[in-house]
Amino acid sequence: QVQLQESGPGLVRPSETLSLTCTVSGGSINNYYWSWIRQSAERGLEWIGRVYISGSTNYNPSLQGRVAISLDTSKNQFSLKLSPVTAADTAIYYCARERGFLGTDLWGQGTLVTVSS
Amino acid sequence: QSVLTQPPSASGTPGQRVTISCSGTSSNIGSNYVHWYQQLPGAAPKILVYRNNQRPSGVPDRFSGSKSGTSASLAISGLRSEDEADYYCSAWDDSLSGLLFGGGTHLTVL
Repeated sequence: QVQLQESGPGLVRPSETLSLTCTVSGGSINNYYWSWIRQSAERGLEWIGRVYISGSTNYNPSLQGRVAISLDTSKNQFSLKLSPVTAADTAIYYCARERGFLGTDLWGQGTLVTVSS
Repeated sequence: QSVLTQPPSASGTPGQRVTISCSGTSSNIGSNYVHWYQQLPGAAPKILVYRNNQRPSGVPDRFSGSKSGTSASLAISGLRSEDEADYYCSAWDDSLSGLLFGGGTHLTVL
C-alpha cells in the first residue's frame, strides 16, 4: 500500500531555511494533491499548503511568501521549504495526500522540527 | 484561534453516545465538505469520516458524521476505551483558498 515518509533536519537555526522531503512509496505521485501540515501545542493542526501534479500550488495565506512546495516526479517525492524560520515554526511536520472530497486520506508519521540556536 | 470551532474536551462512559460539534461559516462548512480525523496518542491523524458522513473502509459504523448549514457533528456510539483520542474537523475555505482544521476535541472515556 502507499506510504509516506518525511525526512530532513530535526534542528534549524532561526532565520534559516527549513527543508523537508516526503517520499511516496508503494504508488505513484502522478495524481492527487500532496500536502504539508504541521502540528504544535500552540496552533494545533495547521495546513501549510499543497502541490498538484501539474505543479500548481496553494498555500496558507498566513505563510504566503515564506513557503514553497514542489514536486519531483522522477523521485516520487515532494518537498517543503520554509524561510526564514522563527521559534514559532517549531512543530511536528506531516506530509499527506489530499484527495479532494475524500479528504486527507494518507499521512506520514510526522517529523519534529525544532527552531533554535 | 481556529476558524472552525470545536469544544476542547468531551467525555463519556463505555457504551455511551458522544457528540462532538464543529462550527464554521458560509465560506467553509457552509459550502464545502467536512472531514473528521482521529489522532491517537503519539500517532498521525487518521481520516474517520469524509464528505460529511462517509466512512472509509475499516472505520466502525459506531462513528457517524453529519452536517447542517455551517455546523457539523461527529457522533460516536457504543463508546469504547480505545476511542480515547483527539478528534479534528476539517473543511476547505473558499475565502482563504486553504484547508482549515478545527482546534481539536480531546475525548476522555471515563
